[in-house]
Amino acid sequence: RKEVEQDPGPFNVPEGATVAFNCTYSNSASQSFFWYRQDCRKEPKLLMSVYSSGNEDGRFTAQLNRASQYISLLIRDSKLSDSATYLCVVYPNDYKLSFGAGTTVTVRA
Amino acid sequence: GAGVSQSPSNKVTEKGKDVELRCDPISGHTALYWYRQSLGQGLEFLIYFQGNSAPDKSGLPSDRFSAERTGGSVSTLTIQRTQQEDSAVYLCASSQGLAGTSGANVLTFGAGSRLTVL
Repeated sequence: RKEVEQDPGPFNVPEGATVAFNCTYSNSASQSFFWYRQDCRKEPKLLMSVYSSGNEDGRFTAQLNRASQYISLLIRDSKLSDSATYLCVVYPNDYKLSFGAGTTVTVRA
Repeated sequence: GAGVSQSPSNKVTEKGKDVELRCDPISGHTALYWYRQSLGQGLEFLIYFQGNSAPDKSGLPSDRFSAERTGGSVSTLTIQRTQQEDSAVYLCASSQGLAGTSGANVLTFGAGSRLTVL
């Protein structure tokens, strides 16, 4: 079983729609969680950290469910510029951050 | 520097040649990571440095791969006798401290070195 698993998508949504997707992780001792965004042929960039209580950054909301070992990302009022691959990143309990393979989101006009 | 710099941005080489990829992390970042990303795939961890030391090299795919870091700054990843399966984007990232241990210690990536082995 992979340490971090994501639905690859793609999620094709119209502008203004809400899209949400999850990421599951296998190591129950994982400490920190992040969402990174990667545009086509670009490097990953930090989108947001994920806190135990859940957190929001503008149109983006991240949630952590430790009992079921998953994190989620919700994007409200989708913009064309939100089209990207979203990488789930988990810090198990050593220095090796584990990356999911990514969920592709395409927002259409 | 302001960001993580990697060079070359693109490298095309013939099978069997050696290549060297360079990473210049953000000034003051003690931790440096190398990842590899093949087309349409996730990031594969290769090696991590804390200062000049690499506590774990187990992510390196074979003994043709080696990496070093000098002066707690620049790192080079060397691939000897390249094979076609080495073709990928090699991403370097740095963090202030051990990545993931706190909100301050998040990875900042360079733009990557795209390696194509013919």
